[in-house]
Amino acid sequence: EAGVAQSPRYKIIEKRQSVAFWCNPISGHATLYWYQQILGQGPKLLIQFQNNGVVDDSQLPKDRFSAERLKGVDSTLKIQPAKLEDSAVYLCASTWGASANEQFFGPGTRLTVL
Amino acid sequence: GEDVEQSLFLSVREGDSSVINCTYTDSSSTYLYWYKQEPGAGLQLLTYIFSNMDMKQDQRLTVLLNKKDKHLSLRIADTQTGDSAIYFCSTDSWGKFQFGAGTQVVVTP
Repeated sequence: EAGVAQSPRYKIIEKRQSVAFWCNPISGHATLYWYQQILGQGPKLLIQFQNNGVVDDSQLPKDRFSAERLKGVDSTLKIQPAKLEDSAVYLCASTWGASANEQFFGPGTRLTVL
Repeated sequence: GEDVEQSLFLSVREGDSSVINCTYTDSSSTYLYWYKQEPGAGLQLLTYIFSNMDMKQDQRLTVLLNKKDKHLSLRIADTQTGDSAIYFCSTDSWGKFQFGAGTQVVVTP
């Protein structure tokens, strides 16, 4: 079974630039999560999708971050414009359903904002 | 304070047992998890415990849950150098996951 795929693995940009990350969850997984993991901290939920609908985006900084999952499969997370404090690893995870008990994580995208 | 708290660092000698502790605030958590993260990788689920259990054993791993004190621990028996990683405690309240800051475990020969 293929795991959660993310790309790119690394990205370096200058502040005020835009960046997009892509995630392809495990086939059949209805729920998809985007997390931000700042160095030395645990993952912090940015947004949760159930199929193509948003379940929770309460911690997503909506003035600069956006995410979509148009067909209920893969997802993109965008930052526009980026700030220095956005430097982090962005992790995508998926589960079978909204209350399923195992999250499968992708390898993450490491973003550095200069 | 933080919703899920862990000590930041643990040093253990190869062959000894490691115990990693976690406290949490969300009493509605249905499951509690331990994840392992190696450098440059995502989180990997190690084990989990349902909230109505107080202990779960899985090979070298033992999870203890004290629901009254909202305290979770992970014991790794016969710790090996391959166990060096960051370990995250996580709560799950009906599909909403919260993570601690992680405990870095360093195994020395």
